[in-house]
Amino acid sequence: QKEVEQNSGPLSVPEGAIASLNCTYSDRGSQSFFWYRQYSGKSPELIMFIYSNGDKEDGRFTAQLNKASQYVSLLIRDSQPSDSATYLCAVRGGSNYKLTFGKGTLLTVNP
Amino acid sequence: GAVVSQHPSWVICKSGTSVKIECRSLDFQATTMFWYRQFPKQSLMLMATSNEGSKATYEQGVEKDKFLINHASLTLSTLTVTSAHPEDSSFYICSARDRDKGKDSPLHFGNGTRLTVT
Repeated sequence: QKEVEQNSGPLSVPEGAIASLNCTYSDRGSQSFFWYRQYSGKSPELIMFIYSNGDKEDGRFTAQLNKASQYVSLLIRDSQPSDSATYLCAVRGGSNYKLTFGKGTLLTVNP
Repeated sequence: GAVVSQHPSWVICKSGTSVKIECRSLDFQATTMFWYRQFPKQSLMLMATSNEGSKATYEQGVEKDKFLINHASLTLSTLTVTSAHPEDSSFYICSARDRDKGKDSPLHFGNGTRLTVT
């Protein structure tokens, strides 16, 4: 059974700080990794995706992938109250397009 | 960007009735769509993979006769919850893959359907 694990939180950070969200996965064959943000009662929206080991930066967001450790993270710099949401880590295997989601980490950014 | 339209956004139905949810890709063609269900404070759980022109593939534990999926065109998949019961009340979300993008391209999600069965 493929599993994606996240700390459910809540993770609370002050405005302007760096929020660090972590995710581990069990399937070594996983090839694509995604971070989604989900506001309460809404559908997930894509924040970032990463396929290769290392860092990938997009604005205030940085995704980090370490396939050897089966670990992927998301850093949010200069956190804003509007970043308060649940962040879902999703992993896709190599042979199909199905995404397996973690349970999500609730992030609260305090003004 | 790619848009997936899901309708209705919310529905309330009586126990024993059936409800149909539509998922449309508006500006791209999708040979594959996915149906997820999310209970409160839980993650998205994949219910089934909808394949254009063929039968859907259901995940373990999902009743195919209860959750009917039809993917008759490259832009439309429907999920019908038959003989709905209160325990079927949930947030149903579809997603679609652009067939013209690479295999690693992200999925595009609809806005979800909040189903309440009374």
